[in-house]
Amino acid sequence: GQNIDQPTEMTATEGAIVQINCTYQTSGFNGLFWYQQHAGEAPTFLSYNVLDGLEEKGRFSSFLSRSKGYSYLLLKELQMKDSASYLCAWGGGGATNKLIFGTGTLLAVQP
Amino acid sequence: GAVVSQHPSWVICKSGTSVKIECRSLDFQATTMFWYRQFPKQSLMLMATSNEGSKATYEQGVEKDKFLINHASLTLSTLTVTSAHPEDSSFYICSGAGGPPDTQYFGPGTRLTVL
Repeated sequence: GQNIDQPTEMTATEGAIVQINCTYQTSGFNGLFWYQQHAGEAPTFLSYNVLDGLEEKGRFSSFLSRSKGYSYLLLKELQMKDSASYLCAWGGGGATNKLIFGTGTLLAVQP
Repeated sequence: GAVVSQHPSWVICKSGTSVKIECRSLDFQATTMFWYRQFPKQSLMLMATSNEGSKATYEQGVEKDKFLINHASLTLSTLTVTSAHPEDSSFYICSGAGGPPDTQYFGPGTRLTVL
């Protein structure tokens, strides 16, 4: 089965850096995805890691360690608009692109 | 690029009626489309995976006769909730992917309320 864990909620200050962790225990692997979801809206794609290491995209970076079943999303220079849920999703590989989502981390950015 | 649309964005219906939701990939061909359901303050739960021209694959616990999925073309998939009941009220989101391994791009979602 799949078990994907993320913290439920986090709070951070505008301008700061926050790290959102995700751990997974699954069989098979095709990549680890991060999505951002604002309340009442659909998720938007942030990043995708299939190899170990850090992927940097502007203010957002994502890290993966396949041997540890661990990923994190790093948000720098936080802005109020970054307040949202951040969803970690595991890609199952094979002939489909099936994703299994974690419960999501609700991030509140405070002034 | 990679835009997915859904229609309608919201719908209110009476218990016992059927509701059809359309999902379209506007600027790419989605060989695979996915349908998710999301209840308030919960994460996305995959309902089914559909490939163009073939039957959908449903996740465990999802009734295929209640949630009918048709993937008629590489740009269109439809989800029909048959004989809807209040417990079917939820946020339904589709996504499209161009081929494995590939990123899924999500539609804006359809909020269904069954009275």
